[in-house]
Amino acid sequence: QQQVKQSPQSLIVQKGGISIINCAYENTAFDYFPWYQQFPGKGPALLIAIRPDVSEKKEGRFTISFNKSAKQFSLHIMDSQPGDSATYFCAASGTPLVFGKGTRLSVIA
Amino acid sequence: GAGVSQSPSNKVTEKGKDVELRCDPISGHTALYWYRQRLGQGLEFLIYFQGNSAPDKSGLPSDRFSAERTGESVSTLTIQRTQQEDSAVYLCASSSGYRQPQHFGDGTRLSIL
Repeated sequence: QQQVKQSPQSLIVQKGGISIINCAYENTAFDYFPWYQQFPGKGPALLIAIRPDVSEKKEGRFTISFNKSAKQFSLHIMDSQPGDSATYFCAASGTPLVFGKGTRLSVIA
Repeated sequence: GAGVSQSPSNKVTEKGKDVELRCDPISGHTALYWYRQRLGQGLEFLIYFQGNSAPDKSGLPSDRFSAERTGESVSTLTIQRTQQEDSAVYLCASSSGYRQPQHFGDGTRLSIL
């Protein structure tokens, strides 16, 4: 019940395309859903986060969609750029955060 | 500095040795977390400190692992009698309170020979 399942494991997207990463959770007590971006050799950096009282949150090219009834949430990266190439982790809280296993995104020109 | 600072950035040691990893959280952050990240894997929770409360040690994988934190400052993670399976990146994060955004350091890459 503490798991967060993330898919896909890896993703290749053309520059300018939309990258979509999905996560699903089981614990209905989770009330905070952040996404982290991690570059090689660096720690994860908070990208965007949502709480379950809203269905969507947008910050620049990054959008979280949240479906409370389905217990799913997703990250959309619009107009994907090569600089977006990184590993993305979804997480859910409770404390501590429970992380998905990550998605390695490659944006190719 | 403004961010979470971890030291050393890299540590190579022989199997059976003890290691100590350090984390300096963001000033004023009351919560501090340690995670382990194996190569190509997600983050595995180890331990959580919140203010002066007893730490949540539920993620520590064995009694060889321990951590301390003095007040709301520096934390050290100690691994005794290291094993090869302890090789990983150890990440520290801090936050301003319960269920507030966590800010990560760049980790300590630990290699056990």
